[in-house]
Amino acid sequence: DQQVKQNSPSLSVQEGRISILNCDYTNSMFDYFLWYKKYPAEGPTFLISISSIKDKNEDGRFTVFLNKSAKHLSLHIVPSQPGDSAVYFCAASPFQGAQKLVFGQGTRLTINP
Amino acid sequence: DTGVSQDPRHKITKRGQNVTFRCDPISEHNRLYWYRQTLGQGPEFLTYFQNEAQLEKSRLLSDRFSAERPKGSFSTLEIQRTEQGDSAMYLCASSLDTEGGYTFGSGTRLTVV
Repeated sequence: DQQVKQNSPSLSVQEGRISILNCDYTNSMFDYFLWYKKYPAEGPTFLISISSIKDKNEDGRFTVFLNKSAKHLSLHIVPSQPGDSAVYFCAASPFQGAQKLVFGQGTRLTINP
Repeated sequence: DTGVSQDPRHKITKRGQNVTFRCDPISEHNRLYWYRQTLGQGPEFLTYFQNEAQLEKSRLLSDRFSAERPKGSFSTLEIQRTEQGDSAMYLCASSLDTEGGYTFGSGTRLTVV
């Protein structure tokens, strides 16, 4: 039972363009969502989060959009840089500070020069 | 404080042997988590500590697995009678009560041969 799904295993984007990573969830109890970035041989690093009371949250080049009715969120990176090449995971929980996160399978983003 | 530390980084063991991993969280963090990540999947929740109390365990944590956090500081995860299916990256993370995101360590990669 995959409650959080990232249907694109990989994505390739040209440097300077926009990267859009997508995530869908099935559990309507989820109200808090996060994106993590992972480089090889390192643990995931927290990027950005959003609560269901918002539909957008922005932090520098990173923006997360939430469409609660569609149970869909996306991460936009603009402009994309070579250092953004990594695996990106979305995660969900019932509330901020919940003791368990449910992760998607990840999307490998490659930024081409 | 340099973040969440995990030891060892890599462990190769023969099937049937016992292994123990250690996690040192960020010192002021009262919550500690163990997750497991297999190839092509996102991290999966194993267990969670609030200070020294183990408050939740996943069904993934069979009776061969045990975790402790004595004195609410470092934690250990022991796997007894290892099986090939235990091969995975074991990730530790820590957080404060009110935070939505965790800080992950770099993980311990276990290979059971």
